[in-house]
Amino acid sequence: EVQLVESGGGLVQPGGSLRLSCAASGFTFSSHWMHWVRQVPGKGLVWVSRINGDGSSIRYADSVKGRFTISRDNAKNTLYLQMNSLRAEDTAVYYCARDPGSGSSWFDPWGQGTLVTVSS
Amino acid sequence: SYELTQPPSVSVSPGQTARITCSGDTLPKQYAYWYQQKPGQAPVMVIYKDSERPSGIPERFSASSSGTTVTLTISGVQAEDEADYYCQSTDSSGPVFGGGTKLTVL
Repeated sequence: EVQLVESGGGLVQPGGSLRLSCAASGFTFSSHWMHWVRQVPGKGLVWVSRINGDGSSIRYADSVKGRFTISRDNAKNTLYLQMNSLRAEDTAVYYCARDPGSGSSWFDPWGQGTLVTVSS
Repeated sequence: SYELTQPPSVSVSPGQTARITCSGDTLPKQYAYWYQQKPGQAPVMVIYKDSERPSGIPERFSASSSGTTVTLTISGVQAEDEADYYCQSTDSSGPVFGGGTKLTVL
């Protein structure tokens, strides 16, 4: 069974940092592009970042460029999102998702999400 | 920035057909995808590449496209279909989601 499990969310002060992890199982992790998507509670889905299978191609949404860093450890089947200089508007549930289409940018499956709250 | 436009809400009675539209200028050139999200749960893909249905998704879910509009159709709506539905496509900046449509089963 394909499974994605996020961790690392929590409460952080504005300007602080947090690292999210997404543990993957049930598929060949290194063969798939991976994404982070976030959702402010009660609001819609917003794409954050994506990384290709070997980590050589990375892209970010303008809203997080220069503050967030996506990475992966294929030996550990784990995706990461390092979030620095956090702002109140970064408060959201963060989902990791597999890209079945090798960069075609669609999402299946999704993890259960981890909540990040940026507040003083 | 690129936008996909969905109606905020759609309401239908059980057994009826629900249609949820999604409009965007690049939809004639880019595939559309649909996700279902129930309260407190992660999204689940219900349609990929405009009209393909993943295994495990009931046959009552279908989709079509015409010009700049794609439509998710749920035939014979059941109470369990009540959820938020999001369309998604891609532009030069990356993946883009519609604002979501809340489907209410009366």
